[in-house]
Amino acid sequence: DGGITQSPKYLFRKEGQNVTLSCEQNLNHDAMYWYRQDPGQGLRLIYYSQIVNDFQKGDIAEGYSVSREKKESFPLTVTSAQKNPTAFYLCASRLAPGEKLFFGSGTQLSVL
Amino acid sequence: KQEVTQIPAALSVPEGENLVLNCSFTDSAIYNLQWFRQDPGKGLTSLLLIQSSQREQTSGRLNASLDKSSGRSTLYIAASQPGDSATYLCAVTPFYNQGGKLIFGQGTELSVKP
Repeated sequence: DGGITQSPKYLFRKEGQNVTLSCEQNLNHDAMYWYRQDPGQGLRLIYYSQIVNDFQKGDIAEGYSVSREKKESFPLTVTSAQKNPTAFYLCASRLAPGEKLFFGSGTQLSVL
Repeated sequence: KQEVTQIPAALSVPEGENLVLNCSFTDSAIYNLQWFRQDPGKGLTSLLLIQSSQREQTSGRLNASLDKSSGRSTLYIAASQPGDSATYLCAVTPFYNQGGKLIFGQGTELSVKP
């Protein structure tokens, strides 16, 4: 089945630790996105990538990093510089700006 | 700067009722508008995509309309069912931006009571 796979579903971070969230898609989409969702605040864009080996900061990129070495993969690292990382993280992809956006099932990150 | 607003934030209706969810946006220069459904703790599921040149899209009991000139979209749900209970979000793709980023509203939480 085609789709977007995010892992893990739940993740816990200790203070000072970097953690990486996985996002893989087999839809052959060029564009991939990372959103953060907090209760009552809607979705906010962290990073996005339009093609392999290229990515841009979104509205809240501080404390996060990404890579796009393969078309199907767009991992997000939450660094120790992100002081309030507890949130629901959503990965998405689509073929082009005029096309539907598809989402993964999300990763809930919490701080121990 | 494009802003997307959804009112009300929450809505409760009895089963079988027809209902309308509202979405407004401040800049009419958009590629398209998309409606999503989100169940608690889950990702977003795309319901309908309306291109800027279109006036409406239909899928089963759902009908979405778009009026770019007034900056408004509505999602009509006919004969609501308890299974329709979820948060509904709308999002626009601004025409003049990089990477086709979507701007989301904060969602309307719908509860359909049996």
